[in-house]
Amino acid sequence: GAGVSQSPSNKVTEKGKDVELRCDPISGHTALYWYRQSLGQGLEFLIYFQGNSAPDKSGLPSDRFSAERTGGSVSTLTIQRTQQEDSAVYLCASSLVGYYEQYFGPGTRLTVT
Amino acid sequence: QKEVEQDPGPLSVPEGAIVSLNCTYSNSAFQYFMWYRQYSRKGPELLMYTYSSGNKEDGRFTAQVDKSSKYISLFIRDSQPSDSATYLCAMSVTGETSGSRLTFGEGTQLTVNP
Repeated sequence: GAGVSQSPSNKVTEKGKDVELRCDPISGHTALYWYRQSLGQGLEFLIYFQGNSAPDKSGLPSDRFSAERTGGSVSTLTIQRTQQEDSAVYLCASSLVGYYEQYFGPGTRLTVT
Repeated sequence: QKEVEQDPGPLSVPEGAIVSLNCTYSNSAFQYFMWYRQYSRKGPELLMYTYSSGNKEDGRFTAQVDKSSKYISLFIRDSQPSDSATYLCAMSVTGETSGSRLTFGEGTQLTVNP
C-alpha cells in the first residue's frame, strides 16, 4: 500500500520568503508527527497531531513555524520569513494511535539561500 | 546536554564483521527504545523495538537495553554492504498529549566494505 508521501521533495527559497511543506499520511493513521533533521542535530520533534485533539506544538522552534491538519488527514507545515538556520530536511511520520511504530516519509529538503 | 547521546562516527568495517552501535540517555522516564535505519535521501525505517531491559534478537540484529545504566545497544552480526546506512537510536515516553513523540540520537553513519 501507499506509504507516507511528502511534497515537494526539494525546496530552495530565498531568506525572508514563506514556504509550505505538505504531508500525506498513511490512510487510517490518525497520529501525525513532524520532525526536522539538521546536520549535527539529528532528528528533532516539531509538532504532533492526533485526531481532533489540540496539537502538541511544544517542539516548534519559533512562532515563524506553524502547522495544520485538515480533515484529519493531510498536514501542512508553514515556515514564515525563512532564515538560513531553517535549512534542514523536514520529515513527516504517521502511526496508528497507541502503536509505537511511526512510518516516515522521504522528507522535504529545504535550502534557504 | 542532549537527552540522548550517540557517537556519529563514521564507522567503517569489513564485510562479515560484528558491528556494535550504542546510545546513552539521561531521561529515566523513557519507556520505549527503538533503532531506526536511514539510507541516504530516504526517511528512517524501524529496525528494532524493545520495551524493557534485556535482549531482543531478530535475524542478524540484536538490541539490548540496560535501564539501570541508561544504555542501549544494537549489534549487527555478519555485516553486509547492504547494511551501510545511518543508524538512529530513538526513545519515547508515551503520553496522552504527546503521543509517542520520539527523541533521537544524532545517528551513526556505518559503512560495510566488501
